[in-house]
Amino acid sequence: DAGVIQSPRHEVTEMGQEVTLRCKPISGHDYLFWYRQTMMRGLELLIYFNNNVPIDDSGMPEDRFSAKMPNASFSTLKIQPSEPRDSAVYFCASRGTGITNTGELFFGEGSRLTVL
Amino acid sequence: AQRVTQPEKLLSVFKGAPVELKCNYSYSGSPELFWYVQYSRQRLQLLLRHISRESIKGFTADLNKGETSFHLKKPFAQEEDSAMYYCALGGTGRRALTFGSGTRLQVQP
Repeated sequence: DAGVIQSPRHEVTEMGQEVTLRCKPISGHDYLFWYRQTMMRGLELLIYFNNNVPIDDSGMPEDRFSAKMPNASFSTLKIQPSEPRDSAVYFCASRGTGITNTGELFFGEGSRLTVL
Repeated sequence: AQRVTQPEKLLSVFKGAPVELKCNYSYSGSPELFWYVQYSRQRLQLLLRHISRESIKGFTADLNKGETSFHLKKPFAQEEDSAMYYCALGGTGRRALTFGSGTRLQVQP
């Protein structure tokens, strides 16, 4: 398995534009997480899904942020409209819950977003 | 509520010196603690977990429930240990991990 795959790796956009970040979890994992990393606050959980259903979105900063998981192999995080303070690295992670599960989250390489 | 505190944003040591990265947590249930490491421009990866009680790359961490701490230690730092280190908290029934704000370790030659 290639691990968690995120795209794009880098995105530079202007304030007010829509941004869509994508994630493909590890096959067989039934939990998917979106985290945001900034210098000031470190890693913050935005939202997570179980079997494609959103479980906890209390970390989503505002209505400008939305996330979907239409199937077990794909999720999107959308920001509309984007603002400069949204500039951060957005990580997707997944985990399984089978008998061999250790609680470990597997992370993608992140999407670095810069909003001008 | 669960919380993870890493009091140091930056820790700078010389090669060969001992290292201790501090982590304290707050959680009412039975905690599961992890250390993740992020090397420059790479993805976060698991370094070690308290359940396995293992030593990885010379690092160890012991869960102290009395002090609610999970400090990461290494007796002799290497330059390749320079990275960002995150302490993370999970627990019974909690599928998401709560991360601390991270400590950047700089090992100077």
